[in-house]
Amino acid sequence: GESVGLHLPTLSVQEGDNSIINCAYSNSASDYFIWYKQESGKGPQFIIDIRSNMDKRQGQRVTVLLNKTVKHLSLQIAATQPGDSAVYFCAEMIGQLTFGSGTQLTVLP
Amino acid sequence: NAGVTQTPKFQVLKTGQSMTLQCAQDMNHNSMYWYRQDPGMGLRLIYYSASEGTTDKGEVPNGYNVSRLNKREFSLRLESAAPSQTSVYFCASSEAQRFYGYTFGSGTRLTVV
Repeated sequence: GESVGLHLPTLSVQEGDNSIINCAYSNSASDYFIWYKQESGKGPQFIIDIRSNMDKRQGQRVTVLLNKTVKHLSLQIAATQPGDSAVYFCAEMIGQLTFGSGTQLTVLP
Repeated sequence: NAGVTQTPKFQVLKTGQSMTLQCAQDMNHNSMYWYRQDPGMGLRLIYYSASEGTTDKGEVPNGYNVSRLNKREFSLRLESAAPSQTSVYFCASSEAQRFYGYTFGSGTRLTVV
């Protein structure tokens, strides 16, 4: 079946640098995507979403880019902070949300 | 607002025992969901309720049953727990099924021995 996947399972960045987390999806019928942040021992927390009729959406310190041609989604975090350390999931909606396996982001001092 | 509240937070069961995981939301959301998360993995949908009075199977429904008690509450029941059901269970809700993000609870950590 089609599923959401991530390019890298772990990512380490220096505090203050920008982070880019990537996600590949294979279902061309997906029309809504969400990025979630999950801290240890907590439930996933909504970060930002984007519909398939958009290429880019910005929030506070975060930007999501959608490339439908190559079925690729990315999350950019500007000026990464220690509090950004967490697992990040992309999720695509086909009926209900389907989650990828996540990327562990570690922010180095 | 409390958002999505799950009880209990932790539970240990013996194989064959039954239990019900409770979930309640106070956001007047129409849709509710149950996911499980195994170590190092993403979340997999067990059951969902698009609106009060309806329930449907998700990706991994075997061994579970659900009840949408009212608009606020959506419970998950394990009739005969198995070690393979050891997992973290998350309940979520959304205003509608499409084009709305899901709000998650803090999870129930279940161990079946």
